[in-house]
Formats: sequence, C-alpha cells, structure tokens
Amino acid sequence: AQRVTQPEKLLSVFKGAPVELKCNYSYSGSPELFWYVQYSRQRLQLLLRHISRESIKGFTADLNKGETSFHLKKPFAQEEDSAMYYCALSGWAAGNKLTFGGGTRVLVKP
Amino acid sequence: GAGVSQTPSNKVTEKGKYVELRCDPISGHTALYWYRQSLGQGPEFLIYFQGTGAADDSGLPNDRFFAVRPEGSVSTLKIQRTERGDSAVYLCASSLEAGDAQYFGPGTRLTVL
Repeated sequence: AQRVTQPEKLLSVFKGAPVELKCNYSYSGSPELFWYVQYSRQRLQLLLRHISRESIKGFTADLNKGETSFHLKKPFAQEEDSAMYYCALSGWAAGNKLTFGGGTRVLVKP
Repeated sequence: GAGVSQTPSNKVTEKGKYVELRCDPISGHTALYWYRQSLGQGPEFLIYFQGTGAADDSGLPNDRFFAVRPEGSVSTLKIQRTERGDSAVYLCASSLEAGDAQYFGPGTRLTVL
C-alpha cells in the first residue's frame, strides 16, 4: 500500500531564511508526487507536481527515487509562505487517487 | 473560470440523522473525487468517479456512506445514521481526466452532535 510521511508537524523559520519540508513515500511502481498548500481560510491548492518540474512561488521539489523522497525547498522564505503544506502521491497502481501526508505547518516569522 | 464548489459550507446535525453533501466540479472535468479530512490530519480518499460511474470506492468507511454522480457532473455524498466520528471536513476535487492534477473545493465542515 502507498504511504506518505511528513515527519515535521511544524516548521518555524525567519523571513529570508531557507526552508525545507521533508516528504518520504512508499509505493510499488512509478509514483506521481505533488505538493499542495492551504493558506489560512483558503482551499487546498496545487503548488507543484514533479512531472512538470516547475518552480512555483520560488519553491522547488526534486523526486529522489533512491531515497523515496520529494522534499520541498525554498531558499528565502517570505511571510506569505506561512501556510499548511501537504505532500501527496498518486499513480496508476494507486487508482489515480491521492494519498496525503499528515501535513507540515510553516510559520515564517518577520 | 469557476472552481469546484461545495454546499453547504457547514452542516450541523444530530447523531443518527441523514445528511447529503453536494459537489459541483469544474465544468468539463470528467473525474471527481471525495476526500475526508479529520482535525490535524491530511485528507483521506473516500471515492472517485470517472463520468457517472464510481471507479474506486475503496475508501468509503462502511455502508452508511454512499455517493452518486448521475449525470457525470454534480455529485452528492450521502451519509446515513450519522455518528460523532463522522465529524470532519469533506472535500471534493475534480480533474480533467483521471490522473490529471486535482482541483479542490472549499469543503463542507460536518459536525455530528
């Protein structure tokens, strides 16, 4: 069965500091990995998917199949990055449904 | 364009009652998904429709939960004999095709007293 683990419940960083959110997964087959973000009082929205290899709002994430990780990084955190971040996994063997991690709350302090 | 919408935004009911939660997907999206999010946890999959049919209902917790999508657009999640443990935010998402990026609605917060 597929599983997504986000070991940090809370990350607190100062504005301008780098931030890295960890995500590890288990999956039999070729996974598709996503990062979703939920800002205060807003809906869950897609931030990144690994196949697009885009950088959104300064965030990047690299799929490391050897370490089964998909960590999210930003070199200089901004106050508007304060939000809840969820790593999620999908794939053909998973029936296209998303399996989410427990989420990491990021707090960027001024 | 309009995103995924869900009604009601909040629903308070008593234990044992029946509730219906509605989801309007993005126009033209063929795949529709229901998830449930309990406090402090990530969303958990319930059921997924491709068109009118339920392609995967493996996440429904028991037979009190049922969902329909009769015309391949709007979907209704139905919960019979609600229990306090059903209290959660119920999220709906849609995607253009199965396997494409999923776009989420604002959720319905269900509270069972």
